[in-house]
Amino acid sequence: GAVVSQHPSRVICKSGTSVKIECRSLDFQATTMFWYRQFPKQSLMLMATSNEGSKATYEQGVEKDKFLINHASLTLSTLTVTSAHPEDSSFYICSAQSGSTYNEQFFGPGTRLTVL
Amino acid sequence: GQQLNQSPQSMFIQEGEDVSMNCTSSSIFNTWLWYKQDPGEGPVLLIALYKAGELTSNGRLTAQFGITRKDSFLNISASIPSDVGIYFCAGPWQAGTALIFGKGTTLSVSS
Repeated sequence: GAVVSQHPSRVICKSGTSVKIECRSLDFQATTMFWYRQFPKQSLMLMATSNEGSKATYEQGVEKDKFLINHASLTLSTLTVTSAHPEDSSFYICSAQSGSTYNEQFFGPGTRLTVL
Repeated sequence: GQQLNQSPQSMFIQEGEDVSMNCTSSSIFNTWLWYKQDPGEGPVLLIALYKAGELTSNGRLTAQFGITRKDSFLNISASIPSDVGIYFCAGPWQAGTALIFGKGTTLSVSS
């Protein structure tokens, strides 16, 4: 149980294009999902908290108009990187939290974004 | 803000050796989580600790929640090559919120 998937696992795009990343909880309902970014050899840094049916809460320094988050259902959250630039290249990881395991979060396998 | 200090930053050991890593915080945490991350993958939850003083095992892994609630350690006994990876401690800022991560301990195991 507690499986989280992400799609795509890897994406390469041209500068200026937009990329959508999906995060799904496969066997549980996730009241809250989180989006993290990880640069090489660094720890995970929280970008935003996404609650189903409400607006995401962004961390300081994360542009909400650039990183659009939608959490339309209890099993799906999407992150759209708009007008991507090379500095947005990173490993994006989502996590999902269910009500029954309140403080445990289960992570997706991550999405490697490369912007040329 | 809240920070988790994790050490050591990296370890190079021989197969069969035991490993210990720890995490400390300047503030009290009510939950400590230990994750392992393989290259190009998301973190996988190893052990969750919810009570001060709690000692929990998962196979060859053992973790403890410090009595002061400001620290935790993870031990790996009789290491094997597949233990290679980055180990992170983590805790929620508040119950139900996003996790704060330590900087990670990179483990290398030579056979």
